[in-house]
Amino acid sequence: KNEVEQSPQNLTAQEGEFITINCSYSVGISALHWLQQHPGGGIVSLFMLSSGKKKHGRLIATINIQEKHSSLHITASHPRDSAVYICAVKSGNEKLTFGTGTRLTIIP
Amino acid sequence: DTGVSQDPRHKITKRGQNVTFRCDPISEHNRLYWYRQTLGQGPEFLTYFQNEAQLEKSRLLSDRFSAERPKGSFSTLEIQRTEQGDSAMYLCATPGEDYGYTFGSGTRLTVV
Repeated sequence: KNEVEQSPQNLTAQEGEFITINCSYSVGISALHWLQQHPGGGIVSLFMLSSGKKKHGRLIATINIQEKHSSLHITASHPRDSAVYICAVKSGNEKLTFGTGTRLTIIP
Repeated sequence: DTGVSQDPRHKITKRGQNVTFRCDPISEHNRLYWYRQTLGQGPEFLTYFQNEAQLEKSRLLSDRFSAERPKGSFSTLEIQRTEQGDSAMYLCATPGEDYGYTFGSGTRLTVV
C-alpha cells in the first residue's frame, strides 16, 4: 500500500462543477502539499498545509490531521483547471512522498 | 518561466551512453532536490543537497547515478551506462515561498 493514496485517479466534469479530490496518507507528517502538473511536466505548488484550511482564488485545501486526510476543492471549475493534481507529504526528513495524482478534465 | 531552470528539456540517448542534466536555481537556496517521475506516476525522491553537501540518497539512486552541487548553486545529475528503465522525467526543486517548493520544468529522458 502506498504511503499516499489519492482518489479518484481520473475525474471528468462539466465546466462550472464543484470538484473534490481526496488524499489519504498513512505516515506522520509535518506538512502536506497540493501540486498541479500540466502536460509537458511543469509542476506548480498550490498549497502547503499543516492544519486547517487554506484558500487561494477558486481553490480550497483542507486537512484533518487526526484522520490523515486532505481534500482539494475547486469551485466554478473551468477548462483551464484541467491538469494532474498531486498530493505530497513531508515527514521528518526532507523528502516529499507523492501520490500518483488525479487527472482532472473539465469539459466546456 | 519558473525559478528553477533545467537543461536540457528533452534528451534522447542510446542505451549504454552517459547523460548529464543540469539544474540552475535562479535564486540562492540552501536546499536543492532531485526527483524522478515515470509515466502515470507521481514523482519519486532521488536525492537532496544542503549547500554543497549531498545529505540523503534514495535507494533508487544506483551506483550508475551521481549528483553534485559543487558551489552550492547549480547541480548536475549524471547517469552512466543508461538503461531503458532510466527513461523518465527528472525534476529539480528548491524551497519556494508560501507554497512550499519551486520545481523546474524537468528533463525528459528517453533511452532507446
